[in-house]
Amino acid sequence: AQSVAQPEDQVNVAEGNPLTVKCTYSVSGNPYLFWYVQYPNRGLQFLLKYITGDNLVKGSYGFEAEFNKSQTSFHLKKPSALVSDSALYFCAVRDMNNNAGNMLTFGGGTRLMVKP
Amino acid sequence: DAGVIQSPRHEVTEMGQEVTLRCKPISGHNSLFWYRQTMMRGLELLIYFNNNVPIDDSGMPEDRFSAKMPNASFSTLKIQPSEPRDSAVYFCASSFRQARRSPLHFGNGTRLTVT
Repeated sequence: AQSVAQPEDQVNVAEGNPLTVKCTYSVSGNPYLFWYVQYPNRGLQFLLKYITGDNLVKGSYGFEAEFNKSQTSFHLKKPSALVSDSALYFCAVRDMNNNAGNMLTFGGGTRLMVKP
Repeated sequence: DAGVIQSPRHEVTEMGQEVTLRCKPISGHNSLFWYRQTMMRGLELLIYFNNNVPIDDSGMPEDRFSAKMPNASFSTLKIQPSEPRDSAVYFCASSFRQARRSPLHFGNGTRLTVT
């Protein structure tokens, strides 16, 4: 079984400050990890993914995420937050070795609020 | 690329009525997923298809819900009869079955309100 935990329902940060949105995962094999962002009245949009290789992954809109195998974490980061980054963020995992299909398991989401 | 297209964007109906939600996946994608999003339960996977065949429908809440994919370019999610607790945003997503590294591509959802 695969699962994802996002321990924070909401993260508040001031514009210009660095932000971190936390994610931990559990899979039986090796993970494929994804971050998505959801703006109001829109579907989820892909931000970035970790497949293999460099543990620091760079994605859209200046976001990056760090894969940490020992801590089973994949935290989303940005050096300098913008008000326009305010949205709902979802972490997701797919077991690389799962032959049951390509189903993604999503976390519960974290609402990021960036204040001017 | 038009992306995943869902219709209608909004649906308001009365309890007991039949509701049909529609989805057109991205051309060439052979996996299709239906999700439901609510404040209380977050994002829930209802059912997914590979090559038009339902693979896992364990997330479908009850027999009132049914989903079909008659061809590679169209899927429906039907609720009959609808109940107020079905009110939610329903998302369709698609991807390549063989490309496990690929992300899902989501439509903009159908906001369903059952009164």
